[in-house]
Amino acid sequence: GAVVSQHPSRVICKSGTSVKIECRSLDFQATTMFWYRQFPKKSLMLMATSNEGSKATYEQGVEKDKFLINHASLTLSTLTVTSAHPEDSSFYICSARTSGVYQETQYFGPGTRLLVL
Amino acid sequence: AQSVAQPEDQVNVAEGNPLTVKCTYSVSGNPYLFWYVQYPNRGLQFLLKYITGDNLVKGSYGFEAEFNKSQTSFHLKKPSALVSDSALYFCAVRDRDGNFNKFYFGSGTKLNVKP
Repeated sequence: GAVVSQHPSRVICKSGTSVKIECRSLDFQATTMFWYRQFPKKSLMLMATSNEGSKATYEQGVEKDKFLINHASLTLSTLTVTSAHPEDSSFYICSARTSGVYQETQYFGPGTRLLVL
Repeated sequence: AQSVAQPEDQVNVAEGNPLTVKCTYSVSGNPYLFWYVQYPNRGLQFLLKYITGDNLVKGSYGFEAEFNKSQTSFHLKKPSALVSDSALYFCAVRDRDGNFNKFYFGSGTKLNVKP
């Protein structure tokens, strides 16, 4: 149980375009999902907390207009990188927290590798 | 401030030998503690957690971790390492009394198990 998927697993785009990444909880409902960014050989940096039916909460230093988050249902959150630039190239990982008895645990998706040319 | 420290960037161990990956934490309240493993170009996989109760926690793939409140540590251990255990390991803490959402991750420790 507690499987989280991400799509796409890898995306290459031109500078200035927008890219949408989907995060889905496959076998549980997730009222809260999280988006992280991971640089090579570095730890995870929390970008934002996504709450179903409400606005996302962004961490300090993360541009809300640059990284649009939508949590439209209890099983889907999307991250859209708008007007992507090469410095946005990174590994983006989502996680979801169950709403049941094990809600203290976050379950992570497999990640999306974004390369902006 | 909440923080997690993994003092070793890399741990090398021979297959069959015991392994330890160290983690210490600093939180203002009582912590939830976690270990995750990451294989190349993959997301994080949950290994084990400490919430309450027995200080020795057993998790996936034969891993275990011991919560030591006096030393504020949560070291990951395995009695006999496998080559397939080679990966990046992250310790994380979540403050149960403060920001319920936020996980604080250590910098990661790369485990190399040699045949």
